[in-house]
This record gives sequence, structure tokens and C-alpha cells, in this order.
Amino acid sequence: DTEVTQTPKHLVMGMTNKKSLKCEQHMGHRAMYWYKQKAKKPPELMFVYSYEKLSINESVPSRFSPECPNSSLLNLHLHALQPEDSALYLCASSQDYPGRPLYEQYFGPGTRLTVT
Amino acid sequence: KQEVTQIPAALSVPEGENLVLNCSFTDSAIYNLQWFRQDPGKGLTSLLLIQSSQREQTSGRLNASLDKSSGRSTLYIAASQPGDSATYLCAVKGRTQGGSEKLVFGKGTKLTVNP
Repeated sequence: DTEVTQTPKHLVMGMTNKKSLKCEQHMGHRAMYWYKQKAKKPPELMFVYSYEKLSINESVPSRFSPECPNSSLLNLHLHALQPEDSALYLCASSQDYPGRPLYEQYFGPGTRLTVT
Repeated sequence: KQEVTQIPAALSVPEGENLVLNCSFTDSAIYNLQWFRQDPGKGLTSLLLIQSSQREQTSGRLNASLDKSSGRSTLYIAASQPGDSATYLCAVKGRTQGGSEKLVFGKGTKLTVNP
């Protein structure tokens, strides 16, 4: 099974709201990723977790807060977003571990976020 | 800084045609290259992964090649079908200046296969 699941599929939130995106995989992968994708653009990396520790933060604004509660789950907490944060948010996972970045990344279906 | 370019940006072909999508990258110090397809509004589906030591990988009607020294990869699709219509993304995994590894994506080729 090479499935990464994401919830919700769609989310509409106001600029003062707090919401969370969730991602889950049961492939035993120890690397998990958050990407942001705007229309007609490639995905942009936001965060990487390796063995439940944040290993990469691509200078993402603090209104995005990632969390990795365990090896199967990845959350992205959203607070005080701007309309320009509207995008498709993609989660991915892989078997990569430090020193062995040789594996496929598997992506979830994404959460379509609209900030009003 | 790694840059990935995909040519053409869009391609329209009749059903049954064989076609080639191109990907080039500027830094040959990569670990591997991965081809994805993406349907509108959906996530990415991994098609093929080629390690830096490999020359090609095949899966069904798809064949991907890698020439690391020249910074090029091609995705060959045989006997194209309307269901192949999607955006195809190429991504290379290399080491960043900070010492970590990440995928760098091209902008994609939008493929339309006409019945």
C-alpha cells in the first residue's frame, strides 16, 4: 500500500480562524513533507520531518506551524492566514533517512485551501 | 542552485502516438530523478524513479532515461491514450547548500491526448 491520506479535501477559512490540515501514512516511512502548490506552478517545499524531528523549514511564515505527533501523522496548523495563502497543500512521505536520500516520494491527494 | 527545465510546456498529440517529454537540470550532483503525473486539482502520482547510477527505468508503456553528465532525462510514452492526459513533472533530488536533501521540480509539461 503506497497511500498517503489527507484531510480535509477542501477547507475555507477566514483570516482570523485557526484550522489544521492532517496527513497520515502507514508505509513505515520516517520522512514526511509539506508542500504548497499554487495554480499552474510546481510544488514548493515548506517543511520536512525526519524521524519525527523538523529537519527543514524553508523560511515559511510562522502563521504555518507543523507538528509530527508520531511517525504516521503530520499536521499543519494554520492561524491568521492571508488570501495569498490560498493553494493546494500537499503532504508526502518517503523511506529517506539521513545519509540515504534514495527513495521515492509518495504524495497525498492534497487539501484545497481557500482563505477569505 | 539547482534549476530544472521541462520542454515543451504543453503538448497535444493524437491517440496512439509515441511521444517524448524532456527534462534538463543544471547541477549533475543528484541522488536521483523522479517523474510524476498530476491530474487537475489532484495530488502527484509517482511514475518512475531513476537513481543517479542508472540509465533508464521502465514501467508498462513508460520509459525514463537519465544522462546525468549532460543533465538530461526523457520520459517516453508509447501508444498514448486519452487517459494519459495530465501534467507531467520532473523532479531531481540533490543536496542543498544547507546540507539537506530535497526535490527540485520543473514547471511541468501539460499533455493532451486527443481521441
